[in-house]
Amino acid sequence: GAVVSQHPSRVICKSGTSVKIECRSLDFQATTMFWYRQFPKQSLMLMATSNEGSKATYEQGVEKDKFLINHASLTLSTLTVTSAHPEDSSFYICSARDGEGREFFGPGTRLTVL
Amino acid sequence: TQLLEQSPQFLSIQEGENLTVYCNSSSVFSSLQWYRQEPGEGPVLLVTVVTGGEVKKLKRLTFQFGDARKDSSLHITAAQPGDTGLYLCAGYVGEGKLIFGQGTELSVKP
Repeated sequence: GAVVSQHPSRVICKSGTSVKIECRSLDFQATTMFWYRQFPKQSLMLMATSNEGSKATYEQGVEKDKFLINHASLTLSTLTVTSAHPEDSSFYICSARDGEGREFFGPGTRLTVL
Repeated sequence: TQLLEQSPQFLSIQEGENLTVYCNSSSVFSSLQWYRQEPGEGPVLLVTVVTGGEVKKLKRLTFQFGDARKDSSLHITAAQPGDTGLYLCAGYVGEGKLIFGQGTELSVKP
């Protein structure tokens, strides 16, 4: 199956700093990528839809100025958590949709904000 | 409001037992998917059910899609410790967005 990678796999940062997470589709092109957040013992919640070459679409309650999404190419989307705070600590997962509409998930990024 | 209601949310059983996880909605879905997720990893697709009444088998796992395409179930026969993990049902809504149920945390003890 198609492979989606995320980098870094885990990151620890100080409160107030910004963190960038990369999501790459390794063997296919993805015009659409998605970003999810998962808190401990909970399910995945969609944060935003990332479209190549256009602005991301954010779900209700997700601050677009705090979670900056850039989808600069057909294989790369980035999520930047700006001015991170401890409550932003979570597991961030991306997915990428291929030309047949199938969605493939990345391995996730564990963010810990001290 | 949770569009996909999954139950139970936690399940702890002994090796060899059978179990069923349910995924229910008041909405009709064109298809439903089941995923398994291990700690610190992304979800992995197990199966997609598309046709109302459909039954799909994956070794000891049996997936069923309700006739009205509003619900689905996952049955595991003779559970093994390797089945331990978070099981998630999911379906597409609106503009192709995937929504997930709350998940079922399964623990199979040897």
